[in-house]
Amino acid sequence: EAGVVQSPRYKIIEKKQPVAFWCNPISGHNTLYWYRQNLGQGPELLIRYENEEAVDDSQLPKDRFSAERLKGVDSTLKIQPAELGDSAVYLCASSSRDRGSYNEQFFGPGTRLTVL
Amino acid sequence: SQQGEEDPQALSIQEGENATMNCSYKTSINNLQWYRQNSGRGLVHLILIRSNEREKHSGRLRVTLDTSKKSSSLLITASRAADTASYFCATVGSSASKIIFGSGTRLSIRP
Repeated sequence: EAGVVQSPRYKIIEKKQPVAFWCNPISGHNTLYWYRQNLGQGPELLIRYENEEAVDDSQLPKDRFSAERLKGVDSTLKIQPAELGDSAVYLCASSSRDRGSYNEQFFGPGTRLTVL
Repeated sequence: SQQGEEDPQALSIQEGENATMNCSYKTSINNLQWYRQNSGRGLVHLILIRSNEREKHSGRLRVTLDTSKKSSSLLITASRAADTASYFCATVGSSASKIIFGSGTRLSIRP
């Protein structure tokens, strides 16, 4: 079984530029999560999707961050414009309906973003 | 804000020894989970313990939960080099609407 796929793995951009991250969850997983992980810290939830619906986006900085999961499968997280403080690893995770939200999550390898 | 806080922040032990790390949290929970993160395999779910459970085992892992003290511990027995990683606890609130990760314990296993 293929795991959670994320791309790109690394991204270096200048501040004020836009950037987008893509995630393809495990097949059949209806719940998808985006996290941000700063160096030396645990992941911080940005947004959670149940199918195509964003059911928790309270931690998403909506002035510059946006996300979509149009067909309830893969998802895109965008930052526009990026700031220096956005440098972090962006993780995508998924879980199945059977196990419920916030039960066992399967994480992708992450995208390491560096903003110069 | 961090709900779960791991202790210690870093731990170095000899291969074969047992490793114990702790997690404290502040508000009532639905469940508490432990994850491992290393550079090779990313973040991996280890074990989940629900608020009405007191102890769970999985292979060389043993997790305890004390809801009266709002704390959990993860014991890794007979440690191996491959156990070198950061370990995070994550708490899911009682309404199961939020998950919050702690800052992690960095475990190093000396050969």
